[in-house]
Amino acid sequence: EAGVAQSPRYKIIEKRQSVAFWCNPISGHATLYWYQQILGQGPKLLIQFQNNGVVDDSQLPKDRFSAERLKGVDSTLKIQPAKLEDSAVYLCASSFLFDGTDTQYFGPGTRLTVL
Amino acid sequence: DQQVKQNSPSLSVQEGRISILNCDYTNSMFDYFLWYKKYPAEGPTFLISISSIKDKNEDGRFTVFLNKSAKHLSLHIVPSQPGDSAVYFCAASAQGGSEKLVFGKGTKLTVNP
Repeated sequence: EAGVAQSPRYKIIEKRQSVAFWCNPISGHATLYWYQQILGQGPKLLIQFQNNGVVDDSQLPKDRFSAERLKGVDSTLKIQPAKLEDSAVYLCASSFLFDGTDTQYFGPGTRLTVL
Repeated sequence: DQQVKQNSPSLSVQEGRISILNCDYTNSMFDYFLWYKKYPAEGPTFLISISSIKDKNEDGRFTVFLNKSAKHLSLHIVPSQPGDSAVYFCAASAQGGSEKLVFGKGTKLTVNP
């Protein structure tokens, strides 16, 4: 079974530029998550989708971050414009159950560096 | 406000000995707890979980203990192997796991041959 795919794996941009990350969850998984992991910290949930609907985006900085889940499968996370403090690893995860109570499977992450 | 705390940034043990990783939480609404393992350049991998209705859960070499009154859980690895060297994250959730996971900062475990 293929795991969660993410691209790109690494991205370096200047502050005020925009950037987008892509995630392809495990086939059949209803719930998709985007996490931000700053160096030395644990992952922090940014947004949770059930199919293509948003369940929780309470920690998403909506003035600069946006996310969508196309047709309930793939998802993109966008930052526009980026700030220095956005430097982090962005992790995508998915789980099978609609209510998200089962195991979350994580992708390898995208490491973003904002200069 | 850090709701899940892993106060030891690192731990070093000898191969074959026991590794004990600790985690404390402050939110009394948390009732489901998990441990994830993370190797460099990979995403976290689920290791073991425990519900607040239990005080112990075991899976092979891995055992998680939960002390609800102290709001403390620990992960025991016996015997420790060099392949266990990784960062271990404690995570907690409310509503039986349906609420978002809150992660600790992680503990880097090094198992020396």
